[in-house]
Amino acid sequence: NAGVMQNPRHLVRRRGQEARLRCSPMKGHSHVYWYRQLPEEGLKFMVYLQKENIIDESGMPKERFSAEFPKEGPSILRIQQVVRGDSAAYFCASSPRGWTEAFFGQGTRLTVV
Amino acid sequence: GNSVTQMEGPVTLSEEAFLTINCTYTATGYPSLFWYVQYPGEGLQLLLKATKADDKGSNKGFEATYRKETTSFHLEKGSVQVSDSAVYFCALSDSGGYNKLIFGAGTRLAVHP
Repeated sequence: NAGVMQNPRHLVRRRGQEARLRCSPMKGHSHVYWYRQLPEEGLKFMVYLQKENIIDESGMPKERFSAEFPKEGPSILRIQQVVRGDSAAYFCASSPRGWTEAFFGQGTRLTVV
Repeated sequence: GNSVTQMEGPVTLSEEAFLTINCTYTATGYPSLFWYVQYPGEGLQLLLKATKADDKGSNKGFEATYRKETTSFHLEKGSVQVSDSAVYFCALSDSGGYNKLIFGAGTRLAVHP
């Protein structure tokens, strides 16, 4: 059973471009969580999704950021018009149910130049 | 709001030394507490957890006890190895009953032969 798969592992974008981060949860997991880790800081919760539904997006910046988890395919975290401050590691986690252990992917390290 | 405070790193130890990484929390209600480990270039792995006061979580020689009276969850290991070198994160589960975790800033551990 493969773990949580995130791609790309590393992403470089110029200021103003769009970044798309993908997360494929573990088989049988229908709950996905996105976290952001700024340099030298802990992870900060961004959003919690179930298939086709956003359950909690209280940690998402109000502008430029969006997330989806369609019926088929991976979860996508989309950042429009990236700025230098978006440079961070973005981690996805998945769980079979909302209150069971979540397993983390290896993260996508976004660098905005 | 809820928060987690960890001792600052880096912590540098010789192999076979005793390890303590302090973690204190502020929370309403009765959160679950976790320690995660992040090896270089990898995602987070759950190391141990405790779900109620006086519970002791343990794994791979690491232990932590949920102390409600001191709001602490200190991580300990009696004899560290070079392979334990990593960043350790203390976390608590926020209200809502799902995997919305609040993380400390992390403590980097370096173990030398």
